[in-house]
Amino acid sequence: DIQMTQSPSSVSASVGDRVTITCRASQGISSWLAWYQQKPGKAPKLLIYAASSLQSGVPSRFSGSGSGTDFTLTISSLQPEDFATYYCQQANSFLGAFGGGTKVEIK
Amino acid sequence: QITLKESGPTLVKPTQTLTLTCTFSGFSLSTSGVGVGWIRQPPGKALEWLALIYWDDDKRYSPSLKSRLTITKDTSKNQVVLTMTNMDPVDTATYYCAHSHIAVDAFDIWGQGTMVTVSS
Repeated sequence: DIQMTQSPSSVSASVGDRVTITCRASQGISSWLAWYQQKPGKAPKLLIYAASSLQSGVPSRFSGSGSGTDFTLTISSLQPEDFATYYCQQANSFLGAFGGGTKVEIK
Repeated sequence: QITLKESGPTLVKPTQTLTLTCTFSGFSLSTSGVGVGWIRQPPGKALEWLALIYWDDDKRYSPSLKSRLTITKDTSKNQVVLTMTNMDPVDTATYYCAHSHIAVDAFDIWGQGTMVTVSS
């Protein structure tokens, strides 16, 4: 089984900060990685698929990069509505394991 | 507009079998490339991928839960059913169903989720 490891598990940041979250796969998954945002009591929302493709309707301050085993999600200028938990996920065709999550909190 | 909604029991006893139904609209599970999956999330914990069924009846299961899961589809009713046997208190979670397409290979539309508690 391919394992997904996210870091950090939490980050404190201020509005306007640049935030980077990393995700590492235990073996290569090419570019087949997605990123989600989840707010308390809500279903996750797809932000990025295929490592760097922005889902329709998602603000351009979100970006993804990486391939193989190492991936990053970057929020270029944190907005108040971005405080949430973020998850990476290997592609469904790889049996879709999720990372442990990164909580972005207000500093 | 694509929507999905989960339904099923809110409380099950240990050792029982859980049956959850995902009823969807706005797409057909007979359309090439389309899939519907199940994901769960224990209270305060991370998401866990469970199973996925594709338009061509290809089925994928989490390796760690494969022996306990069965996913089926009823295209005429626009439903996907997940059964999980031998329920345990650690299976207490919110269960989500979600839409996928092979072009995205991720879950782009999610249901609201349904909370299932396992307790005697």
